[in-house]
Amino acid sequence: GNSVTQMEGPVTLSEEAFLTINCTYTATGYPSLFWYVQYPGEGLQLLLKATKADDKGSNKGFEATYRKETTSFHLEKGSVQVSDSAVYFCALSDHSGNTPLVFGKGTRLSVIA
Amino acid sequence: DTGVSQDPRHKITKRGQNVTFRCDPISEHNRLYWYRQTLGQGPEFLTYFQNEAQLEKSRLLSDRFSAERPKGSFSTLEIQRTEQGDSAMYLCASSGGQGAPGELFFGEGSRLTVL
Repeated sequence: GNSVTQMEGPVTLSEEAFLTINCTYTATGYPSLFWYVQYPGEGLQLLLKATKADDKGSNKGFEATYRKETTSFHLEKGSVQVSDSAVYFCALSDHSGNTPLVFGKGTRLSVIA
Repeated sequence: DTGVSQDPRHKITKRGQNVTFRCDPISEHNRLYWYRQTLGQGPEFLTYFQNEAQLEKSRLLSDRFSAERPKGSFSTLEIQRTEQGDSAMYLCASSGGQGAPGELFFGEGSRLTVL
């Protein structure tokens, strides 16, 4: 079945550091890929998405590129801020995006000033 | 629109009791999902509805769990004869309307503690 594997956290970075959170997936066909974020005390929200190979999703300075050859969708940000402290979840669905999302375990990021 | 709301936010119950959670989705959304999340894990899919039809149920959803969406608006998730292993955060999400495919809007969750 479909599955997502994320790097384990927690990840602690200083402000302005470079962030990478690794995500790899196993799926039949060509899934759509997502990153969701959960800020403290809030519900999960969509951060970015990509629906086909070599697509790059981006939002709020975060980026992730859909790599079919390595079945990966790593999340990156060039300069993190304290306000980026949250839990980040990689997820996938079928290509249409209409099947229930399958989530990774999440990676907790703490950014210190 | 105030987003997806869930009630209660926290429920403490004794083993063997029944509990019910309610979810009010975003009004124009036709799809509604239930997920369960335990500490250190990502959300695990339980079931989803398109309008009032329950389209898919996970094998995680034992016969003690039942979900309804009677008029295609709000939904309830009932757990009968609760067990300590049912302790988790129960998340509701909705999608549809102007949202992009795969964009789920989540509520803040209902935390269940079974003593």
